[in-house]
Amino acid sequence: GAGVSQSPSNKVTEKGKDVELRCDPISGHTALYWYRQSLGQGLEFLIYFQGNSAPDKSGLPSDRFSAERTGGSVSTLTIQRTQQEDSAVYLCASSLSYEQPSSYEQYFGPGTRLTVT
Amino acid sequence: QQQVKQSPQSLIVQKGGISIINCAYENTAFDYFPWYQQFPGKGPALLIAIRPDVSEKKEGRFTISFNKSAKQFSLHIMDSQPGDSATYFCAARRGSARQLTFGSGTQLTVLP
Repeated sequence: GAGVSQSPSNKVTEKGKDVELRCDPISGHTALYWYRQSLGQGLEFLIYFQGNSAPDKSGLPSDRFSAERTGGSVSTLTIQRTQQEDSAVYLCASSLSYEQPSSYEQYFGPGTRLTVT
Repeated sequence: QQQVKQSPQSLIVQKGGISIINCAYENTAFDYFPWYQQFPGKGPALLIAIRPDVSEKKEGRFTISFNKSAKQFSLHIMDSQPGDSATYFCAARRGSARQLTFGSGTQLTVLP
């Protein structure tokens, strides 16, 4: 079946503009995660969804970042008033669930490369 | 505070050699330790994972060694091939959390 898809693959925006990044998880996966990968760095956790709710928003770097998930499927990460330090690859992952050890595996999408000029 | 420390940052190995990447963690509540492989322009893909109740897990040419008392785990790639050239990330997760905590990554280059 299809893997995790993300759009756009690349986004160049001017400082101060708002951007929306989209993630389509694997069908049937109830858990969805957003990570940020800065150049040469590891992955930084941003937020996860259990169904449509986000119990833990502590990873979001500032109140300019928000995310939502609708219908237990597609998720959108929104960054308002973008800053140059927001430039990074934003990765989305999904997993079958997170309650059973056999379903821990997170499948990652290809990411959206965001460049703020 | 970096909870998972990974080394080396980069590694060059000859074809057929053994590649070894090490990770150390601080939080004893971690109970799941995966390794991810990432090729340029792609998202990370799960390579192999281990839980702390075993000391070693092998899948093909890839082996995880786990030392619970030392709070360290490592990835060994036997008979390394040029196609293994990628960035490798170790990660850890604690049962009550949902997200993975990643190491900083190791860029592996296998020379032909």
